[in-house]
Amino acid sequence: GESVGLHLPTLSVQEGDNSIINCAYSNSASDYFIWYKQESGKGPQFIIDIRSNMDKRQGQRVTVLLNKTVKHLSLQIAATQPGDSAVYFCAENIMTGGFKTIFGAGTRLFVKA
Amino acid sequence: GAGVSQSPRYKVAKRGQDVALRCDPISGHVSLFWYQQALGQGPEFLTYFQNEAQLDKSGLPSDRFFAERPEGSVSTLKIQRTQQEDSAVYLCASRRRGNTEAFFGQGTRLTVV
Repeated sequence: GESVGLHLPTLSVQEGDNSIINCAYSNSASDYFIWYKQESGKGPQFIIDIRSNMDKRQGQRVTVLLNKTVKHLSLQIAATQPGDSAVYFCAENIMTGGFKTIFGAGTRLFVKA
Repeated sequence: GAGVSQSPRYKVAKRGQDVALRCDPISGHVSLFWYQQALGQGPEFLTYFQNEAQLDKSGLPSDRFFAERPEGSVSTLKIQRTQQEDSAVYLCASRRRGNTEAFFGQGTRLTVV
């Protein structure tokens, strides 16, 4: 089975509010954790990654937090916009010759106007 | 091309038929991945290539599934004697050496009837 999972399958937020999407993982040997966004009919799109020796990384309107003690990963989206509506996957890179990326089941984010 | 290209976009196969799905990765990307995504689920890892070498095929669900990348660029995922449970979107992704970001194609939606 997957070593990466998600706490909530759906999240509904008001436009302009901040969104927090959570994820639990079980593989302590992962080197990188990654968030992907998938819109309907499209392939996943990279949002942000964080190396396992970091606990926070910020991008444009997004912040990823990593808590290795409890094996928890979160994605925070500031000032959520309708265009943020999508399914969000956390994923981890696992060493296997090179690195393969293992995905969790996803959280669907609905942004209400 | 600008991104990862997959063909066909849609494929309907009769049960028992063989199918071949094509992936054209981004030029120069060393790593290539195949994933299977069932409706409402996250992408499930199938196999991984580094150049022409298949480094990991642990996710292939049965010996009916076969992938190749003979010249280290274009890859083909072949499914023999298709079954209804093979119905899914098959995603291909490529990645530059040393990067964590994988670029996904739009996928091939396979429907086995």
